[in-house]
Formats: sequence, structure tokens, C-alpha cells
Amino acid sequence: EADIYQTPRYLVIGTGKKITLECSQTMGHDKMYWYQQDPGMELHLIHYSYGVNSTEKGDLSSESTVSRIRTEHFPLTLESARPSHTSQYLCASSGGFEAFFGQGTRLTVV
Amino acid sequence: GENVEQHPSTLSVQEGDSAVIKCTYSDSASNYFPWYKQELGKRPQLIIDIRSNVGEKKDQRIAVTLNKTAKHFSLHITETQPEDSAVYFCAASMGSNYQLIWGAGTKLIIKP
Repeated sequence: EADIYQTPRYLVIGTGKKITLECSQTMGHDKMYWYQQDPGMELHLIHYSYGVNSTEKGDLSSESTVSRIRTEHFPLTLESARPSHTSQYLCASSGGFEAFFGQGTRLTVV
Repeated sequence: GENVEQHPSTLSVQEGDSAVIKCTYSDSASNYFPWYKQELGKRPQLIIDIRSNVGEKKDQRIAVTLNKTAKHFSLHITETQPEDSAVYFCAASMGSNYQLIWGAGTKLIIKP
């Protein structure tokens, strides 16, 4: 079934650790996005990509990086996790107007 | 750049009553206006959208209206039910090759 898959769903990690949040989509979309969202709150765009080897930073300042080596894969990496990174991270993709979201990764940094 | 303001931030209505959420946008070049619903613990999902060449669109109990002159659009939910309780986000875009600019969200509470 065409969908957006995020792993892990939940992650608790210590301060200073490097982590990668995975996002894959089987929808054949060119555009992909990463959002940070505290539960039920505003969506903050942190990175986006319009195709392979294309990545841009969003509005939210974040100590994270992304890569887009394959159309279907858009991982987000935090080089050194901090408690301020505790939040939910949503991946999304779009082939036209509509954006489709993954189920999110709930990250807790202790 | 584009900016989208959404009001109110929280809306509490009696079950069966109507609910209206309003958004204003800044860029007159915007031509696509979707509404997403995010239930507790779930991902945002598109519930209705409207293009700039249309003034109103309905889908059962939900409708969206667009006023291009005033640069605002609204979500209308009639005969509200408990399952309508969620956070609703509006957004605006200048086209399919442009990113969505999001409103801050409205928490809709349906009182029994």
C-alpha cells in the first residue's frame, strides 16, 4: 500500500547522542518535508526537498541535516541530541498540491 | 514571504452546533487553500481544499469559503459530532511547485 513510513515511532535517547530518523515513501512523490510539532501545536518546517540531491532548510532553526540520495528516502540526522530537541517529528511528501504525512517519530532526549 | 494567520486558537461548541474557523493569508499570488484535521495522536490528514477560481466548496457537513479580495478563507462544520474534536490546520500555497504555508492550528472541542 502506498504510504509514508517513519521509524522509529518512539525514541528515548541521551544528550549528546547522534540519531537518524528514517522516512520512506512508496507514493512516488518528488517533494518531501520534515516538520517538528509539539503535540497538537503548530507545524514547524525544518527541511524540505524537491527531488534527488535537492535539500533546503525551512523556517525553524535546527541543528539537523537531511539527505536525499533516493527519491523514496529522506532521513533526518541530529548530530548531537539535546533536551530542547524533545518533540514529535513528522515527515511528509507531495506529488502535487496535497501533502501526505507519516505517523511521526516521538523523540525524547534525556 | 507568505504568512497565514488562523483564529481562534481554541474553539468549544455544543454538539450539534456549527463551528467556523478562519484564516487570512498575505500573498495575493496564493491559489490553493487546504484544511487538515489532526486527531489526538494521529497524523494530519486533508479534509477539504479549495482553489482560487472557486468561492465555495462543500463535502457533506464541511465547507470551505474563499474571499480573494479580503484574502481570507474559512472552514465551516455543521451539525458537529464528538468525532469532529481535533486540531484543524489551514494552509496556503502559490501552486503545486510551492510549499504549503501553515496556520498555527485551532483546537476544536465538541461538548456533549
